[in-house]
Amino acid sequence: ETGVTQSPTHLIKTRGQQVTLRCSSQSGHNTVSWYQQALGQGPQFIFQYYREEENGRGNFPPRFSGLQFPNYSSELNVNALELDDSALYLCASSRDGAMNTEAFFGQGTRLTVV
Amino acid sequence: QKEVEQNSGPLSVPEGAIASLNCTYSDRVSQSFFWYRQYSGKSPELIMSIYSNGDKEDGRFTAQLNKASQYVSLLIRDSQPSDSATYLCAVYSSASKIIFGSGTRLSIRP
Repeated sequence: ETGVTQSPTHLIKTRGQQVTLRCSSQSGHNTVSWYQQALGQGPQFIFQYYREEENGRGNFPPRFSGLQFPNYSSELNVNALELDDSALYLCASSRDGAMNTEAFFGQGTRLTVV
Repeated sequence: QKEVEQNSGPLSVPEGAIASLNCTYSDRVSQSFFWYRQYSGKSPELIMSIYSNGDKEDGRFTAQLNKASQYVSLLIRDSQPSDSATYLCAVYSSASKIIFGSGTRLSIRP
């Protein structure tokens, strides 16, 4: 157990809808990174939040947005869902966004867009 | 060129043997390197981190780093069936984010 929790664990949405995924970081961690993992691929970096500010973004369109709260939990929002958004969404919690920090993953949210 | 490259496998190793997993990365200024294990349908689990050239051992696992060659590897000694999983190499890039390879599927045959 990493102490990082994500909700919900599974979700089915219709194309064009919007979805919000949630992540609670491990105690003592102030950085949350979000990843998208398609079947058979490695996790792809979406963005990172450090102390409530976005601290880096991958090659994802603006319809992927996020938020971090004062308790360092985080949300990932995806608007105008597309079929290709179907994937495992992972959040990783770490300390300080520093270079030598280790990141620990939650159990993931499996999103299916139909 | 991908930022982090791994052979997708599958790599099949007999039980009790040494499994060797390799990874190369493109960002020369990378300083931190990680190996994650991912079982099918589960999230990645951190098993090793390495920051300096050379070897780092933890139980049956040894991570090896060669920054000059931009190469990092993971050795698993006395391989067990429970080691069968996908192993993800990850690199902390100069853009302040952890980049993952696509993973190597490892299968330990009895």
